[in-house]
Amino acid sequence: QVHLQESGPSLVKPSETLSLTCTVSGRSIRTYYWTWIRQPAGKGLEWIGRIYPGGTTNYSPSFRSRVTMSADTSNNQISLLMTSVTAADTAIYYCARDPSDYSHSASWGPGILVTVSS
Amino acid sequence: DIQMTQSPSSLSASVGDRVTITCRASQTISTYVNWYQVKPGRAPQVLIYGASEMQSGVPSRFSGSGSGTDFTLSITSLQPEDFATYYCQQSFDTPHTFGQGTKLDIK
Repeated sequence: QVHLQESGPSLVKPSETLSLTCTVSGRSIRTYYWTWIRQPAGKGLEWIGRIYPGGTTNYSPSFRSRVTMSADTSNNQISLLMTSVTAADTAIYYCARDPSDYSHSASWGPGILVTVSS
Repeated sequence: DIQMTQSPSSLSASVGDRVTITCRASQTISTYVNWYQVKPGRAPQVLIYGASEMQSGVPSRFSGSGSGTDFTLSITSLQPEDFATYYCQQSFDTPHTFGQGTKLDIK
């Protein structure tokens, strides 16, 4: 059974870079798509982007200019970098596993609350 | 981006009721629609994928249907644990956009 766990700072200052890691256990990250999704308080789910460790990334146009996703196959981890954060980026961030292309997000981490504040 | 228009945005119902939530895509997306349940303090959980395929472990009172642009999630005989927020999502093309959500609460 696959297990995902997000980690990173819970507080980030405005204009700085948010850096999150998703550590995966129970499956190699090599053969699946890995997605980042967030949910601001009181709002809906937002799809940020996904990575296939074989080399493909897809980002939402809403985030493309300031998001980078990467994969560390040695440590079975997926990372998210988001630059120039503002208070609007305060949200719970989830990583999730998509079994294939055109697929749903079948497995999710518990999420991490990131607050952007000075 | 493909827009997913979900309705209603909120819904009040009683235990034992049947409810239906709809989602309309801004373009045809075959059957690439997924439905998630979100409860406070918990990660989203997929209920239905591929418009009508039930995720393992999901109670049979949940069902999905539709193709093209119009999709529905139905819940028969509502149970207390079903009161939550539900989202549709299209996975036909990136970004895999979500609907706005439907909050289902107890009447």
